[in-house]
Amino acid sequence: NAGVTQTPKFQVLKTGQSMTLQCAQDMNHEYMSWYRQDPGMGLRLIHYSVGAGITDQGEVPNGYNVSRSTTEDFPLRLLSAAPSQTSVYFCASSYNSLSGNTIYFGEGSWLTVV
Amino acid sequence: AQSVTQPDIHITVSEGASLELRCNYSYGATPYLFWYVQSPGQGLQLLLKYFSGDTLVQGIKGFEAEFKRSQSSFNLRKPSVHWSDAAEYFCAVGARRSSASKIIFGSGTRLSIRP
Repeated sequence: NAGVTQTPKFQVLKTGQSMTLQCAQDMNHEYMSWYRQDPGMGLRLIHYSVGAGITDQGEVPNGYNVSRSTTEDFPLRLLSAAPSQTSVYFCASSYNSLSGNTIYFGEGSWLTVV
Repeated sequence: AQSVTQPDIHITVSEGASLELRCNYSYGATPYLFWYVQSPGQGLQLLLKYFSGDTLVQGIKGFEAEFKRSQSSFNLRKPSVHWSDAAEYFCAVGARRSSASKIIFGSGTRLSIRP
């Protein structure tokens, strides 16, 4: 199994550009989420989804959009990139939305906005 | 709402020495507790988790953690570290009967191993 797959691994954007971080999981997990990781701040939840067609905001949603048209895919869109969005982004999934489930993480996407 | 604190930003230990990484949480009841490890350039991997029962939890790679309700702590331990244990370690707290979206991650402790 591939688990949670994120692309691209590295990306440099200019301020104001848009892009989409792709995320796919092959474990038939209901719950998927996006985190950003910044030095000294741990992981902060951006958006999450409890199933196809259902998304909701996390702790730091501003500047990001998501959609969940299929169980497998959960892309994260930056509509107009800003330097404050320079970060490492992790997609994650778990069997369902209950807090006791193991969360499986992708390998991360390093994004730099100049 | 729950919160989690990892007071040590960076720890260096010698290979073969014992290790203890600290984690303190704040929550009104007994939460779900997790330790994740992140190797350089990789995502996070679950080491172990505590739900209930025995307060000493065994995990992968020889790690264990002990839940101490009186101290609101869930410290991670390993009797003898290996060079491959160099990584960043995250403690996480989840409220029972809640959503995974409410899991809070600590800011992490970076572990370096001295040869």
